[in-house]
Amino acid sequence: SAVISQKPSRDICQRGTSLTIQCQVDSQVTMMFWYRQQPGQSLTLIATANQGSEATYESGFVIDKFPISRPNLTFSTLTVSNMSPEDSSIYLCSVETGVGNEQFFGPGTRLTVL
Amino acid sequence: QKEVEQNSGPLSVPEGAIASLNCTYSDRVSQSFFWYRQYSGKSPELIMSIYSNGDKEDGRFTAQLNKASQYVSLLIRDSQPSDSATYLCAVRRDRGSTLGRLYFGRGTQLTVWP
Repeated sequence: SAVISQKPSRDICQRGTSLTIQCQVDSQVTMMFWYRQQPGQSLTLIATANQGSEATYESGFVIDKFPISRPNLTFSTLTVSNMSPEDSSIYLCSVETGVGNEQFFGPGTRLTVL
Repeated sequence: QKEVEQNSGPLSVPEGAIASLNCTYSDRVSQSFFWYRQYSGKSPELIMSIYSNGDKEDGRFTAQLNKASQYVSLLIRDSQPSDSATYLCAVRRDRGSTLGRLYFGRGTQLTVWP
């Protein structure tokens, strides 16, 4: 498995502001993903963070709202821009190891937008 | 049709019983299947992965895969109160532009009562 850390672990933000979430892995990984989990719901993939190129976004998610950086094979950021209360959620990064394509999740960032 | 469907539960079993969790998927090409456990307020934790038809056992957990029926299950033997959590079935997309993407079921909430 991989050791994954996320910062911040939680935050309370005002409507209209932006928050950048960091994801750090203890080893180089090819694939990193960003998910959202709204209260009582399953996980929804936001995008695949590609190293050296633009992220691949899922339907319903756009780069202007959720810009993603992936400067190297151990780090990625997700920004939630121009936030509204509907963005209140848990944001999780995950990484895929080379062993059996298993994916492991970071501890998550709990975001509340007022 | 959803990519991954789970019996949504909730499922309640007495301590020591066998808990059976089921999942069906729609993409016949998928080769990688996972079960995650998620405690309330925590991120998903990978507990089983399975790639071939048949059973795979790990301690009290047994994953079963039937690709012809597009069916995955998780059995938990000798259930303990500490097994009380939401169990998420995930299927990996193994082809195309969404390679690596995990499709999650809605999760089954399991309660093991003493």
